[in-house]
Amino acid sequence: EAGVAQSPRYKIIEKRQSVAFWCNPISGHATLYWYQQILGQGPKLLIQFQNNGVVDDSQLPKDRFSAERLKGVDSTLKIQPAKLEDSAVYLCASRLPGRGRTEAFFGQGTRLTVV
Amino acid sequence: GQQLNQSPQSMFIQEGEDVSMNCTSSSIFNTWLWYKQDPGEGPVLLIALYKAGELTSNGRLTAQFGITRKDSFLNISASIPSDVGIYFCAGRALDSNYQLIWGAGTKLIIKP
Repeated sequence: EAGVAQSPRYKIIEKRQSVAFWCNPISGHATLYWYQQILGQGPKLLIQFQNNGVVDDSQLPKDRFSAERLKGVDSTLKIQPAKLEDSAVYLCASRLPGRGRTEAFFGQGTRLTVV
Repeated sequence: GQQLNQSPQSMFIQEGEDVSMNCTSSSIFNTWLWYKQDPGEGPVLLIALYKAGELTSNGRLTAQFGITRKDSFLNISASIPSDVGIYFCAGRALDSNYQLIWGAGTKLIIKP
């Protein structure tokens, strides 16, 4: 079974530029998460989708971050304009729907460096 | 926001030693998870705990869900070089929209 795919793996941009990350979840996983992981910290949830609807985006800095999952499968996360403090690993995770004992699987992440 | 206190922050051990790390929460969880993250990779689930008092093993790893539902520990027996990495605990409350609260991680380093 293919895992969660993310691209690119690495990205270096200058501050005030824009950047986009892509995620393809595991087939059949209706729930998709984007996390931000700053060096030395645990992942912090940015946004949670159920199919193509947003379940929770309360921690997404909406003045510069946006995310979409138009067809309920792939998702993109965009930052515009980027700030130095956005340097982090951006992790995508997906999970089967429902409230049973199913946990999320993570992609390898995209490491963003803002200079 | 809600916090998990994970300790120790890092551990230097000799190969073959046993390792113990733990997490405590200010609130009650109904699920505790332990993940391992290798450099350049996403977290990988090691053990999931769903019931207070539950003790679960996965090879040389053993984790327990604390009776108070506010803590959990992970033990690794007879550590080997591939155990190196960062271990994260994560907890989930019943009314949380199935979202996880994460610890800051325990970095395991094996002394040569």
